[in-house]
This record gives sequence, structure tokens and C-alpha cells, in this order.
Amino acid sequence: QSVLTQPPSASGTPGQRVTISCSGSSSNIGSNTVNWYQQFPGAAPKRLINSHNQRPSGVPDRFSGSQSGTSASLVISGLQSEDEADYYCAAWEDNLNGPVFGGGTKLTVL
Amino acid sequence: QEQLVESGGGVVQPGTSLRLSCATSGFTFSVYGIHWVRQAPGKGLEWVAVIWNDSSRRYYVDSVKGRFTVSRDSSMAYLQMNSLRADDTAVYYCVRDNWNYGKGGFDYWGQGTLVTVSS
Repeated sequence: QSVLTQPPSASGTPGQRVTISCSGSSSNIGSNTVNWYQQFPGAAPKRLINSHNQRPSGVPDRFSGSQSGTSASLVISGLQSEDEADYYCAAWEDNLNGPVFGGGTKLTVL
Repeated sequence: QEQLVESGGGVVQPGTSLRLSCATSGFTFSVYGIHWVRQAPGKGLEWVAVIWNDSSRRYYVDSVKGRFTVSRDSSMAYLQMNSLRADDTAVYYCVRDNWNYGKGGFDYWGQGTLVTVSS
């Protein structure tokens, strides 16, 4: 069981707005920045965005991240077929001296 | 161009050892902490260990404490895995930690190396 809680699945049609949530506690999300990772089948994860909306070059601004209290959200506006992937949230865990991950959300574009 | 390349994975029997290597290039190695993250087949991501940029601190997830050891030198990082168990079976990634994105902001990942522990 993952320390951070994400819905196992999400879906939407092209052009829709989709939100993926991530819930944690005061010792992780409550006191540290949340990062989101995108993973396609058979590939390594890639950093997508963090809760301060810092994106690597090449990540479209359709992706946005935020956090409040012990929760965080990834919003994908204008969903596209190429967004179909697994998404993981992560935050540093002060009690672990390392990060904890959510269980991942499989995003399906209908 | 920043790059991390893992090697050393394979099929081993329970109770045996394996050493993973992570070759880095394209950045100043001594500036960044290096983590190991694993992913069991069909499962999510699990943090395994970290070694700080100056090797002053090393931390591990509870399930590997006393069995795994992380180290680094020049531009290489290593994960020594002893007393391997079936539940250590996973793809192991080495990742760069860039605190500009928050602690645990993993901005570069290796391609991963598969470790299979089976009798």
C-alpha cells in the first residue's frame, strides 16, 4: 500500500479537462513539494511537473500542478491521445529521508 | 546531455548478491544526490535508497536496510544488494535528485535494469 493515495484510474475524451488527485500527510505533502511523473509502457518515468508548475522543456502548459495542505492535484487541460500513460505523484517524506510515491493513476483517453 | 545508464541486472537465486552500477555523464556529478528507485513487474514506483552528493548521508527504505548498500565515486553510483529475496524482483532505476524542483525532484532517470530473484 502506497503512502500517497491516488485514484488507480482516470479517463477523459480528447479536449476534456482531467484532474488526478494525490493525498498524503503533514510529513510529506504537507511540508514538501510534490512532483508528478509520467510513464509510458516499457519506458522509464519522466518528471512532468511539480506543484510550483515547473515543467521540463517540452512539456506543454496543458499540464498544471498544485498543492494545498496535504493534497495535490495534476490537471490536464485539453486532453490529447498522447497523454495516455501512468501518472505518479511523489513527495519527500521527512520521516524517511527519501521520497514516497503514490500508487499511480492509469489515464485512458477514450 | 545529462545521462544515467544502469547495468548489472540479471537473474539470481534467493540469498545471493548482485551489484548494480549507474554510469553518469553530462553533468557535474558531485553536485547531485543519486537515488535508486525500483518498480516490480506491473506495480508502482518504490524508492529504495539515496546517497547525498558528498556521500555524507545514505538512507534506505526499511525493507532493504542491512541488505543493500549505496555508494558512489567519480561519476558512478552503485547499489550493492545482498541476501536477495523474491520480492526484490524489479526494474531498478538510478535517478538524479535536483532540489531546484523540491527534494526528490528526479529530473533525470536511467533506462532501468531488471533484477529477477528466482530459484
